[in-house]
This record gives sequence, C-alpha cells and structure tokens, in this order.
Amino acid sequence: EAGVAQSPRYKIIEKRQSVAFWCNPISGHATLYWYQQILGQGPKLLIQFQNNGVVDDSQLPKDRFSAERLKGVDSTLKIQPAKLEDSAVYLCASSFQRGQADTQYFGPGTRLTVL
Amino acid sequence: GNSVTQMEGPVTLSEEAFLTINCTYTATGYPSLFWYVQYPGEGLQLLLKATKADDKGSNKGFEATYRKETTSFHLEKGSVQVSDSAVYFCALSTGNQFYFGTGTSLTVIP
Repeated sequence: EAGVAQSPRYKIIEKRQSVAFWCNPISGHATLYWYQQILGQGPKLLIQFQNNGVVDDSQLPKDRFSAERLKGVDSTLKIQPAKLEDSAVYLCASSFQRGQADTQYFGPGTRLTVL
Repeated sequence: GNSVTQMEGPVTLSEEAFLTINCTYTATGYPSLFWYVQYPGEGLQLLLKATKADDKGSNKGFEATYRKETTSFHLEKGSVQVSDSAVYFCALSTGNQFYFGTGTSLTVIP
C-alpha cells in the first residue's frame, strides 16, 4: 500500500513570496490533515478535511494560509505571503475515517525555509 | 483547553536499560491517547494507542496505560535497543482536534 505522498520535500523562499505544498493521501482515506511542525515543537494541526469539506480550520492563519481538497483526494496548502516565522516542516496525514481513535498516517513532510 | 505535556529530553540510555517517558494531558471529555514515533530520516508513525480509561496499548515491546485518575499515558519499555533511538510524541484526539506533545528524543547507546 502506497503511503502519503508530499511534494516538494524542501523549499527555500524569501519573505513575502508565495509557496504551495501538495499532498496525496492513502487511497480510500476520507480524512486529510495538514500540520505545521516548528523546530523543537510537536506538530500543530492547521486544518482537517473530510472528503472535500473542511471539518476544522480553527488553527489556520487565514490571512495568509489557504488549503483546498477539491475532488476529495489530493490537497494543496498555500502560504501567501510568507513570513519568517512560517519556517517549519509541513506535514500531511490521512486516516480512513474521522473517528477519535483513528490512526493517522503521515507523509515525509515539506521543509520550508523562509529567508 | 486541551493539551499534552511530555517529559523533556534528550534521554540517553544504555542498551537493555528500562525506559519511561512521561506524558500527562488536559482534556475535556474522554479523548483517545497515542504515542507516535519518528525514526531518523523517516516520517511520524503510530507506535500504540488507547481509547478509554484503563486501556493498555502495546507494540514492539512498548506499553502505555490510559490513566484517567492521573491524566497520564506514560510510555515504558523494559529493555531498549539501539534501534529504538528516535523521537517519541505523545498525542491526544478529541475527534475534531488533535494535540501533540513537544517530543522526547531518545538515544540508546550500545
């Protein structure tokens, strides 16, 4: 079974530029998550999708971050414009259902450096 | 609000030593509790989980018991190996929200 795919793996941009990350979840997984992991901290949930609908985006800085999952499969997370404090690893995860006990499967992450 | 607090690292142990990584949580209701592990150069993966009070999760020789009375989910292993060197994250889920601790780095030396 193929795992969660993410691209690119690394990205370096200057502040005020835009960047987009792509995620393809495990086939058949209805729920998709985006996390931000700043160095030395645990992952922080930004947004959760169930199929192509948003379940929770309360931690997403909506003035600069956006995410979509148009066909209920792959997803894109965008930052526009980027700030220095956005430097982090962006993790995508998926789970079969949206249950409290469901296991999340994580991709390798995209490491973003904002200069 | 909901949160997870876990023991700060780094932790360095000799092979075959006993491991405990402490994790306590704050949550409304009855969350599910997890331990995730990140091996060097790899992504996060589930190590074990427990979904209700007094449940014990176990995998690869690791164990953790969901203690509601002490709001804890401490990770233990009786005899660590070099291959257990990794970063360990405690986490809780309320369904709509998922909270991770800051991670504990473990290094096991031969």
